[in-house]
Amino acid sequence: EAGVTQSPTHLIKTRGQQATLRCSPISGHTSVYWYQQALGLGLQFLLWYDEGEERNRGNFPPRFSGRQFPNYSSELNVNALELEDSALYLCASSPRGYSYEQYFGPGTRLTVT
Amino acid sequence: AQSVTQLGSHVSVSEGALVLLRCNYSSSVPPYLFWYVQYPNQGLQLLLKYTTGATLVKGINGFEAEFKKSETSFHLTKPSAHMSDAAEYFCAVSLKAAGNKLTFGGGTRVLVKP
Repeated sequence: EAGVTQSPTHLIKTRGQQATLRCSPISGHTSVYWYQQALGLGLQFLLWYDEGEERNRGNFPPRFSGRQFPNYSSELNVNALELEDSALYLCASSPRGYSYEQYFGPGTRLTVT
Repeated sequence: AQSVTQLGSHVSVSEGALVLLRCNYSSSVPPYLFWYVQYPNQGLQLLLKYTTGATLVKGINGFEAEFKKSETSFHLTKPSAHMSDAAEYFCAVSLKAAGNKLTFGGGTRVLVKP
């Protein structure tokens, strides 16, 4: 069974540009989560999508947004990039429901110069 | 709001020795608890989880953890360290009321000496 996949592996952008990160969940999983792992800040929750709807949002500015498609894949968009947005962005998926563990993808390394 | 504290950002153990990684949480109600491992340049891999029931949980790669409600702890152990255990380990909690998000501790990097 294929795991969570993310693309691209690496992304280099200039300050002020927009970045789009993509995630495909494990087959049968309807929930997708996004986390940011920035140096010195640890792992922080960004967004949770389930059945195409945003269900929860972390403490991030509105320029961090995303969506979930009918096939349950997801995009994370970061507008007006800032240097401190440089981080590893991890996507996770789970079956619908609370008690299920989240399975993580390999991440997308975003570098903002 | 829930929070997680991992004592020790770095732990060094000898190959074959006990691995003990400490995790304490703060939550108004018992949360679900998880341990994840992250190898260099990779995502997170689930080691084990506690939701309800037996408080001693066994996971992959010989790891286990015990949920102690009175101590609000969920320490991770492995009786005998292997070189392949060198990685960063994260304790995390999840609360339904908090909207399914995982709240992570700061992580503990494990170095295994031959």
